[in-house]
Amino acid sequence: EPEVTQTPSHQVTQMGQEVILRCVPISNHLYFYWYRQILGQKVEFLVSFYNNEISEKSEIFDDQFSVERPDGSNFTLKIRSTKLEDSAMYFCASRGAGAQFFGPGTRLTVL
Amino acid sequence: AQSVSQHNHHVILSEAASLELGCNYSYGGTVNLFWYVQYPGQHLQLLLKYFSGDPLVKGIKGFEAEFIKSKFSFNLRKPSVQWSDTAEYFCAVIPDGSSNTGKLIFGQGTTLQVKP
Repeated sequence: EPEVTQTPSHQVTQMGQEVILRCVPISNHLYFYWYRQILGQKVEFLVSFYNNEISEKSEIFDDQFSVERPDGSNFTLKIRSTKLEDSAMYFCASRGAGAQFFGPGTRLTVL
Repeated sequence: AQSVSQHNHHVILSEAASLELGCNYSYGGTVNLFWYVQYPGQHLQLLLKYFSGDPLVKGIKGFEAEFIKSKFSFNLRKPSVQWSDTAEYFCAVIPDGSSNTGKLIFGQGTTLQVKP
């Protein structure tokens, strides 16, 4: 069964550094998403992406964040200058058959 | 503020007990509704979804959910739980206005612990 994959599983970075989180969506899906979950809090929507552009973004998704589909398979989330409060689990998802399928997540720790 | 609420944060049941997890949402209009499950160490998996039609939806692993529009609720049920149902359960909604983009709004999750 096809799955969404994410790399790395755990990323540790220093405050102010740039990070890129990578995702490989399910191959025939056209809609892609990033969510995050700060420890002890709800899973929060960050951004949706369709046809090579952002279709909706949340208030969290400010100028420090960007997404890209650099080739036919990868979907990336970049955080330009990480803050302590960016520490969270980041989930990628892709949509097919009306539902979103989630990757295993990347745990980002900002020191 | 508009939100999705799961009233039970932590539920402990014995095997063979019946399960009902509450989910309420505060969005008007047409909504799409989902339950996801996250087993220990695994990723979020879809249990079931509701878009329209029969308000009683059957999902995988014997789970079902009932959409009650008048109560803005989408409660998850299972007649007889197993130890393997130990997991975290998330209710999620696509609000009216986000049906094209598919933005999911999640509840805070309910941890279910099933004692053997």
